[in-house]
Amino acid sequence: DGGITQSPKYLFRKEGQNVTLSCEQNLNHDAMYWYRQDPGQGLRLIYYSQIVNDFQKGDIAEGYSVSREKKESFPLTVTSAQKNPTAFYLCASSIIWGTGDDEQFFGPGTRLTVL
Amino acid sequence: AQTVTQSQPEMSVQEAETVTLSCTYDTSESDYYLFWYKQPPSRQMILVIRQEAYKQQNATENRFSVNFQKAAKSFSLKISDSQLGDAAMYFCAYRTGFPDKTSGSRLTFGEGTQLTVNP
Repeated sequence: DGGITQSPKYLFRKEGQNVTLSCEQNLNHDAMYWYRQDPGQGLRLIYYSQIVNDFQKGDIAEGYSVSREKKESFPLTVTSAQKNPTAFYLCASSIIWGTGDDEQFFGPGTRLTVL
Repeated sequence: AQTVTQSQPEMSVQEAETVTLSCTYDTSESDYYLFWYKQPPSRQMILVIRQEAYKQQNATENRFSVNFQKAAKSFSLKISDSQLGDAAMYFCAYRTGFPDKTSGSRLTFGEGTQLTVNP
C-alpha cells in the first residue's frame, strides 16, 4: 500500500537535546512538507521540499533543520535552539505539476514532548 | 501573503441534522484552490472536499458540499445528515494556483473548527 510513514509515534526529549523525526513516502511524490500543530491552532508550515537536495523555509523554520537526500525521505531535526518544541508534527507529500487541486497526503504524525 | 480564517472554534450538531462551517480567506491571486480537511481523534488528516477558484459550480462529495463565494472570499462547508463519525476538527486550507520555487504547492491552513455530533 502506498502512503506516508512517520516514526516514532511518540518521542520524548530532554531539554538541550536534538532529535530527528522520520518521514518516508512511497507515493513517488516530488514535494514533501513538515507542519507543526499546537492545541487550538491550525497547521503551521516548518519546511518544504520540491526536489531532492533542495528545500525552502516555511513560516516557523527557526530551531528546525531538514535534509532531502532521497526523494522518499524528508527527516526533520528539532534542535536545542527551538524554544518550545513540544507539539504534534505532521509530514505530508504531494505532486506539484498535476491538475492543481492535487491533495496533500499526510502521515499519522509524531507527538514530541520535551521533559 | 494569503490568510485563512475560521471564526468558529467549536460547533455542535445533532445526529442527522445539517451543519455549516465557515471559512474566509484573503488573497490577491486570481487562481487558487481551496480545501477542507478533516482530523478525527486519530489525528490522521483526511481530505474532505476541494474547489478550484475558476469553477463556478460548488463542489459536492456525498453529504459534504461547499458554498464558494469568490467575491466575498468565503468557502463554507455544509455537512448534511450528520453522523457520529463526522465528529472531528475541520480545517480550511488555501493553495496558490501559481506554484513556483518559493511558494511551491504549500497549503495555508485556518485555525480549525472542532465539530461535535450529538446522538
